[in-house]
Amino acid sequence: EDQVTQSPEALRLQEGESSSLNCSYTVSGLRGLFWYRQDPGKGPEFLFTLYSAGEEKEKERLKATLTKKESFLHITAPKPEDSATYLCAVQGYSGYSTLTFGKGTMLLVSP
Amino acid sequence: EAGVTQFPSHSVIEKGQTVTLRCDPISGHDNLYWYRRVMGKEIKFLLHFVKESKQDESGMPNNRFLAERTGGTYSTLKVQPAELEDSGVYFCASSAQQGRYTEAFFGQGTRLTVV
Repeated sequence: EDQVTQSPEALRLQEGESSSLNCSYTVSGLRGLFWYRQDPGKGPEFLFTLYSAGEEKEKERLKATLTKKESFLHITAPKPEDSATYLCAVQGYSGYSTLTFGKGTMLLVSP
Repeated sequence: EAGVTQFPSHSVIEKGQTVTLRCDPISGHDNLYWYRRVMGKEIKFLLHFVKESKQDESGMPNNRFLAERTGGTYSTLKVQPAELEDSGVYFCASSAQQGRYTEAFFGQGTRLTVV
């Protein structure tokens, strides 16, 4: 069974204070690892997909990296508008239709 | 382009009652997925439609849940009779190609509270 564990559960940063969110996973054949952003009262919003160990992707202040066991979402010089819950999910070859999500990391960036 | 629309946004019902949630996918998206987040837990897959056919319903919790997608357009998820543990946020997503979550969009969710 595919599993995703995210840490920390919550993170409070000062504006400009860089940090990283962790996503550890086990999957029977990785088709893709996904990062989503979710704002209160909204659905998950797609950020990145990573497919193989060593891959990296960037978008503004966010950078996602992938190893064979975990992924990191690095946030460089965050701003208050980066405050959200960040979700990690995996898609395996066995459950092609499905994403297995972690519980998410709630990020709060204070001005 | 209109996104994935779900309604109602919120629903509060009593245990034993029936509730129907609706999802309108992005026009032209053959693939429609239902997910659910119970408080304190992760978002979990319920089922996947390709057009009007159920491709994968392995995540449906029990036979009190009935999903339909007549005509391959909008989908409904009926819970009958509702139990307290059914409370949570129900999300719908759609994509043009099967399993292509890179190109999938989620709706805002329906928050269901069973009292």
